[in-house]
Order: sequence, then C-alpha cells, then structure tokens
Amino acid sequence: EVQLVESGGGLVQPGESLRLSCAASGFPFSDYSMNWVRQAPGKGLEWVSYIGGSGGTIFYADSVKGRFTTSRDNARNSLYLQMNNLRVEDTAVYFCTRASTTCWECSQHWGQGTLVTVSS
Amino acid sequence: TVMTQSPDSLAVSLGERATINCKSSQSLFHSSYNKNYLTWYQQKPGQPPKLLISWASTRESGVPDRFSGSGSGTDFTLTISSLQAEDVAVYYCQQYFTTPWTFGQGTKVEIK
Repeated sequence: EVQLVESGGGLVQPGESLRLSCAASGFPFSDYSMNWVRQAPGKGLEWVSYIGGSGGTIFYADSVKGRFTTSRDNARNSLYLQMNNLRVEDTAVYFCTRASTTCWECSQHWGQGTLVTVSS
Repeated sequence: TVMTQSPDSLAVSLGERATINCKSSQSLFHSSYNKNYLTWYQQKPGQPPKLLISWASTRESGVPDRFSGSGSGTDFTLTISSLQAEDVAVYYCQQYFTTPWTFGQGTKVEIK
C-alpha cells in the first residue's frame, strides 16, 4: 500500500525557515516523480513543486521560486521541501504527492498534509 | 496558464446529472502526443484530493463510471451522470501542459 507521511510543519514567524519531510513507502520510490501541493485554509489547491525520480528535474511555482528548494533522498525514500524567507501567504497545508503510473505530472497518491503557519 | 471553472458551486438532486466546466487560457492539447494535459480531482471535506481523471478523459482505476471527462484544447467538462450522496465534494481541474502547473478555483457540488 502506498503511504506518504508528511512532517515538519509548525508555527514560524515571517522571514524564518522550515523544512518539510515526506516519508514514502509501499512503492519503488526512485521510480516515481513527486510533487508538493499546498492549500491555504479554506482555499483551493496550489501546485508548489515537482521533482523527477532521479532528482535531476525540478520545477517550482513562481510564488516560491528562489525561496523554496525541493530535494529527495532515494536511499531513504524521502522527499523534502526547504522553505526559506517564509511569508504570511505561505500559510497552508502542504501535501506530498506521488505521480500516477500513466501520468508523471499527475498526483495519484496524496499524504494527509502538514500545516505550516506563518504569523508574527 | 489561468484555469477558470464554472460554476463556483452547484446543487443537484440525487440521481441527476452534474456538469462542471473548466476553461484554460491557452490550449492544453499537445499535437505530437494527441493528448490534452488536464486532470480532474475530487476533494471531500477533511480529506486530501483524489485523482479522478487524467489526460482530460482517462478515468483512474476504481473511479465509478458515472464520472466522465471530455473536451479538448481550452474547454473541458467533468460530468457526474447520476449524482450520489458520496459525490458531495469540491472538484478541481488542473493543467499540466506547461509549468507552473495550475488549478482551477474549484467547484463545490452539493445535494439539492
């Protein structure tokens, strides 16, 4: 069974940093691309970042480019999101997602999410 | 690429058809692959989203056949042919034709 478990969320002040982790299990991790998708409280979905299976291809949303860094450790079956210079508007639940077997851009499996709150 | 869904919400009687539209600001059709780069997700309250349809019309395994996707280019539709109580949710379209990949604002489906 595919499992994705996010961790690392919490309350931080504007300008601070946070590192999210996603522990994956139940599938050959390095074979799948992964995404981070976020959802502000009561709002819609916003795609944040994509990383290919080998980690060689990475894309970011314009809203986080230059501040967030996505990485993965295939030996540890883990995905990471380093978030620097956080802003109030980054407050959201952050979901880790795994690509579909037929569509590497699509998010077939989702974690339960971890809440990041940026507030002074 | 801006994705615009309509309506923002709709109420449909049980067993009736629900139709959600999604319009893209640019074509999502890739002629080399003959595919439209559009997905549909369903999100129930308190849950993460669920992938329903990829490539505009390919239903994911396990998704009931009352859900169907159609359209091409810039105009797409998600149809629930006979609404069930468990279909109450917010539905999102998303384009993955070009980064940044973008979602529609969501359409809330309720029971009338």
